[in-house]
Amino acid sequence: SAVISQKPSRDICQRGTSLTIQCQVDSQVTMMFWYRQQPGQSLTLIATANQGSEATYESGFVIDKFPISRPNLTFSTLTVSNLSPEDSSIYLCSVARDRSQPQHFGDGTRLSIL
Amino acid sequence: KQEVTQIPAALSVPEGENLVLNCSFTDSAIYNLQWFRQDPGKGLTSLLLIQSSQREQTSGRLNASLDKSSGRSTLYIAASQPGDSATYLCAVENTGTASKLTFGTGTRLQVTL
Repeated sequence: SAVISQKPSRDICQRGTSLTIQCQVDSQVTMMFWYRQQPGQSLTLIATANQGSEATYESGFVIDKFPISRPNLTFSTLTVSNLSPEDSSIYLCSVARDRSQPQHFGDGTRLSIL
Repeated sequence: KQEVTQIPAALSVPEGENLVLNCSFTDSAIYNLQWFRQDPGKGLTSLLLIQSSQREQTSGRLNASLDKSSGRSTLYIAASQPGDSATYLCAVENTGTASKLTFGTGTRLQVTL
């Protein structure tokens, strides 16, 4: 299975600032995704990171708030912009080679907002 | 819209017991179903993937079954150990959604000595 490195593992940020989270995979993968896990909740898909083109966002998530880059098949970033206390969550990236293979997750980024 | 529910929300069992975790989903048009475990402060670890054409998958002490027509899956854990203590999540991928997963609410399992 792919080895996924997600950075930072945790951060505490001030209101109104932004945080960029990196996801690095040790091999090329077709599909990369970003999820949010709010406190005590399950995971919700934010967007699909598309290589070389704009990400595909799920209902309730917009590019201005969650800009995503994916410059190649092994790397993606998620930025959470204009941070507010409601953004305190765990953010996770996941990858899949194809639909017949399990989806694998990074260890997540724990974000707290002061 | 797919909705995934897991029962029970929490479970505590003594070491050595066999146990069953339940997952139900509202839309039977799934491509596959995946079970994960999440340890406190950690990401998700993939346990088992069942394709829609399959009835069950086994890995060691874990066995997952799928009844697509009734919208149910179960995860059976044999001879539970304290190291099995974690939150277990099921997630479904619908047909036509290109690997997007809809997650259940999770079952928090504690195995006591």
